Amino acid sequence: GNSVTQMEGPVTLSEEAFLTINCTYTATGYPSLFWYVQYPGEGLQLLLKATKADDKGSNKGFEATYRKETTSFHLEKGSVQVSDSAVYFCALMSSSNTGKLIFGQGTTLQVKP
Amino acid sequence: DVKVTQSSRYLVKRTGEKVFLECVQDMDHENMFWYRQDPGLGLRLIYFSYDVKMKEKGDIPEGYSVSREKKERFSLILESASTNQTSMYLCASSRSPTEAFFGQGTRLTVV
Repeated sequence: GNSVTQMEGPVTLSEEAFLTINCTYTATGYPSLFWYVQYPGEGLQLLLKATKADDKGSNKGFEATYRKETTSFHLEKGSVQVSDSAVYFCALMSSSNTGKLIFGQGTTLQVKP
Repeated sequence: DVKVTQSSRYLVKRTGEKVFLECVQDMDHENMFWYRQDPGLGLRLIYFSYDVKMKEKGDIPEGYSVSREKKERFSLILESASTNQTSMYLCASSRSPTEAFFGQGTRLTVV
């Protein structure tokens, strides 16, 4: 079946450090891929998305590229801020089950001043 | 602004109680979902619905049921609450095949 695997957390970085959170997936067909972010005490918000191979999603300085050859969608940011501290979820939406999201286990990011 | 509203942020219920979690969306989305979120396990799909009065089981439906009598409202029901159902519950809605929008979550504690 379809699945998403994220790197284990928590990830602790100093402000202005480079961030990478790894995400790989298993799916049939051509899924859409998403990164969601959950700030403390809140629900999930869409951070960025990509709907086909080689697409790059970007938002708020975060980027992720849909790599079909490596089945990956790694999240990157060049310079993190304290306000980026949150839980990040990678997710896929199968092309055969539209609307149903399958999530990774989430990665907690803590950024220290 | 899109809105998915869950009726309670925090709930405390006793073992064996029947519990209703309500979710309302104002975006006229056809798809609605209930997930539970547990540390280290991410979000797991309990039930979803593609239309009024239609429901499908997700990955962990045991101990839960749902109701969708109107397009905008999707209710999650715990028939007889147990302590292993203590969790964060998240409702979401979407219009296929675009992204889902989430509510704020309901933190349920069963004692």
